[in-house]
Amino acid sequence: DSGVTQTPKHLITATGQRVTLRCSPRSGDLSVYWYQQSLDQGLQFLIQYYNGEERAKGNILERFSAQQFPDLHSELNLSSLELGDSALYFCASSPRPNMNTEAFFGQGTRLTVV
Amino acid sequence: AQKVTQAQTEISVVEKEDVTLDCVYETRDTTYYLFWYKQPPSGELVFLIRRNSFDEQNEISGRYSWNFQKSTSSFNFTITASQVVDSAVYFCALSGTFSGGYNKLIFGAGTRLAVHP
Repeated sequence: DSGVTQTPKHLITATGQRVTLRCSPRSGDLSVYWYQQSLDQGLQFLIQYYNGEERAKGNILERFSAQQFPDLHSELNLSSLELGDSALYFCASSPRPNMNTEAFFGQGTRLTVV
Repeated sequence: AQKVTQAQTEISVVEKEDVTLDCVYETRDTTYYLFWYKQPPSGELVFLIRRNSFDEQNEISGRYSWNFQKSTSSFNFTITASQVVDSAVYFCALSGTFSGGYNKLIFGAGTRLAVHP
C-alpha cells in the first residue's frame, strides 16, 4: 500500500458529462501530481500542486482542471468528456515540490467514457 | 529534450530464466534521477528503485538488480530466476529540472514481461 488513496477506482460515464476524481496524498506529503495513462499516449504528466498552489502544468487539456485543498487532498475535474478521455488516471504524492524523491502512486481511477 | 526509451515492447520468458529490461535515457541535466516502476495486472504503479545521476553503483535487491551506466545513458533492470508473479509492465522513468524550473517524471513506454510456468 503506497499510502496514496484515489477514489473512485472505476468510473463509467457518457460523453459530454463531467466527473471529479479525488486523491488523498500520503501523510506529510505536500505535492500532488496527476498523470494520465492511455493506450496510445502512455503515462503523461498532467499537473502538479504543491501545498495548495499549482506548480507545474503538463499536457492537460483545457477541459480538465484540478485543485488542491487546505487538507492537501486534490481533485481532478474532467468536463465535456470525449471517448478519447477514457484512461487510467493516477495521482502521486511526494514530500517536496519535485519528483527527485520517490513518488508514490495511488491505485488509479479507471475512467471509461461511453 | 528529455526522453526515456524502452525498446522492448514485450518479453516472454519461462519461469526461472533471467531477464533484462533495457532503458535508455536522454537529458541535458547534470543532476537527474532514474526510476523503475512495476505495473502488475491489477493496475497500480509500484515504486521499485530510484538512482541519482552521481551514483553509478549497481544495486541488488533480492532477485532484482539494476545496472546504471552514464557512459551509455542506460539504466537496465535484471530479474534473476524470474517467477510468474513478476509478470507485469515495467516502466523506466527520468526526473530532472526541466524547462520552467520544475520536476516531473518522464516515463518510457513500458516493457510488458510475461513469465510462463
